[in-house]
Amino acid sequence: DAKTTQPPSMDCAEGRAANLPCNHSTISGNEYVYWYRQIHSQGPQYIIHGLKNNETNEMASLIITEDRKSSTLILPHATLRDTAVYYCIVRVQIQGAQKLVFGQGTRLTINP
Amino acid sequence: NAGVMQNPRHLVRRRGQEARLRCSPMKGHSHVYWYRQLPEEGLKFMVYLQKENIIDESGMPKERFSAEFPKEGPSILRIQQVVRGDSAAYFCASSPAGQAYGYTFGSGTRLTVV
Repeated sequence: DAKTTQPPSMDCAEGRAANLPCNHSTISGNEYVYWYRQIHSQGPQYIIHGLKNNETNEMASLIITEDRKSSTLILPHATLRDTAVYYCIVRVQIQGAQKLVFGQGTRLTINP
Repeated sequence: NAGVMQNPRHLVRRRGQEARLRCSPMKGHSHVYWYRQLPEEGLKFMVYLQKENIIDESGMPKERFSAEFPKEGPSILRIQQVVRGDSAAYFCASSPAGQAYGYTFGSGTRLTVV
């Protein structure tokens, strides 16, 4: 089972910042938080990941709370092409093997 | 620098036939993962492989499905005696060793069973 909870859907106006929340209250100290998105039926696309510190790359910023129980993905200037399902994932370790377990994600719709 | 290559992109099989899906990981990636996505659903983990080893197959159906990642060549997901319920998108991902790295996904193979 996924270790994260996300709102099922969100809307954002084009050009505005999109802030996608994620709760991961059972995260362990050495587990990373990953964000992926899936546009239509394409393969999931990596966005960003982090452990403790806030992270930023050319696509987005990731803000992780100090207690690491939640995080927010920020798309600073959303465009119509950012419409997608966004997945927040904590890597799961079972019997020594680690894997990404996808939840239902947040369906983000960018409106013109 | 090619990404994860999956082929074929689309595969049509009649009920009872076999389906073979191929995945070539990114150069330097030694870990391969297969996921299945049914229509209008999320991605479900199937199997995690390293070269010549199955590490975790907890998501694989008990019958008809098998996977391998040989020393040479691509990873293969094999579905024997396909049924209509096997119709789905099958995605492969690869990663280097280590938790600090995310996965890179391929474009998927869309399997349609008729």
